[in-house]
Amino acid sequence: ELKVEQNPLFLSMQEGKNYTIYCNYSTTSDRLYWYRQDPGKSLESLFVLLSNGAVKQEGRLMASLDTKARLSTLHITAAVHDLSATYFCVLFGNEKLTFGTGTRLTIIP
Amino acid sequence: DAGVTQSPTHLIKTRGQQVTLRCSPKSGHDTVSWYQQALGQGPQFIFQYYEEEERQRGNFPDRFSGHQFPNYSSELNVNALLLGDSALYLCASSLIGLTQETQYFGPGTRLLVL
Repeated sequence: ELKVEQNPLFLSMQEGKNYTIYCNYSTTSDRLYWYRQDPGKSLESLFVLLSNGAVKQEGRLMASLDTKARLSTLHITAAVHDLSATYFCVLFGNEKLTFGTGTRLTIIP
Repeated sequence: DAGVTQSPTHLIKTRGQQVTLRCSPKSGHDTVSWYQQALGQGPQFIFQYYEEEERQRGNFPDRFSGHQFPNYSSELNVNALLLGDSALYLCASSLIGLTQETQYFGPGTRLLVL
């Protein structure tokens, strides 16, 4: 059974600081996603990572994938309040998505 | 280009009742997946429909059933509702066979079972 673990589960950080969310998974996968969810809202796709060493950046967020270590990271640079949300690492396998535990990020002014 | 739509947005039912949730996929998509998200948790895969047939199923009891129509829209049915079925139900659509395709999620239906 595919398992996806994220850490930390909760993260409070000050505006302007940098931080990294880690995602470990148990088996190989075709692709890895990062999704964002605002409270009470649906899921927004941020990145899709397809191969070892893949790196994608959008604004203050950068995601990377190390398939050998079965590790993905989501790095936040110079955090701003608008980034407050829950972030999910998601693995695609057997035609379905398996979600991580989620990291609830709160940016403090 | 219309995204994934779901109806209703909110629903209140009592234990033992039955409920039907509806989903229309993003234009051009042919595959619909359903997920259950309990409060404070990540979404859990229920099942996926393609060509009007269930292709994959997660660890959900037979009380959860679905259907896909020729226009690719889908329904999720839950019978004999339990309090634990209270959750946000998310529909996601995609196009089968595209390796880089992202699953796009609808706004969800929030179900409360009393």
